[in-house]
Amino acid sequence: GAGVSQSPSNKVTEKGKDVELRCDPISGHTALYWYRQSLGQGLEFLIYFQGNSAPDKSGLPSDRFSAERTGGSVSTLTIQRTQQEDSAVYLCASSLVRGSNQPQHFGDGTRLSIL
Amino acid sequence: GQQVMQIPQYQHVQEGEDFTTYCNSSTTLSNIQWYKQRPGGHPVFLIQLVKSGEVKKQKRLTFQFGEAKKNSSLHITATQTTDVGTYFCAGPSYNTDKLIFGTGTRLQVFP
Repeated sequence: GAGVSQSPSNKVTEKGKDVELRCDPISGHTALYWYRQSLGQGLEFLIYFQGNSAPDKSGLPSDRFSAERTGGSVSTLTIQRTQQEDSAVYLCASSLVRGSNQPQHFGDGTRLSIL
Repeated sequence: GQQVMQIPQYQHVQEGEDFTTYCNSSTTLSNIQWYKQRPGGHPVFLIQLVKSGEVKKQKRLTFQFGEAKKNSSLHITATQTTDVGTYFCAGPSYNTDKLIFGTGTRLQVFP
């Protein structure tokens, strides 16, 4: 079946603009994660959704970042008033069920460039 | 806070040489996962280890989980150019469902 789908694959925007990044997880996967990866760096956890539970937002770097997951499927990560330090690849991952012992399946990411 | 470190940060080898990356956690882990990220690609799950002292093999790759469940290693025998990429270990964040990813080891293989 289809893997995790993210759009857009690339996004270039001016500083101060808002951006929306979309993630469509693998069908049937109840857990969804957002990560940020700066060039040549590791994965920085941002937010985690599991079913109807309240999301774990502990990784969001500032209140300019927010995310929602509608209908338990598609998720949108929104960055308001973008700054140059927001430039990075934003990766989405899903897993079949909740749990840190579950393999995570990643999308190809959105490469965000703030001018 | 909880940390997962990997060494080395970067290694380049001649094709055919062996390679090992080491993963060290500041806390005891219930399990450890390994991922590979090709240049320009996304992380891909390789394997999970659960038991103390566990060793698993995938062709030329050997994964080991330490006896104290605080460290792990990935060893590649006779590297090939297809092994190029960054290898990440990941362990559970204490008392949550999150994974803490290691700092990664970038492997370059020269033909």
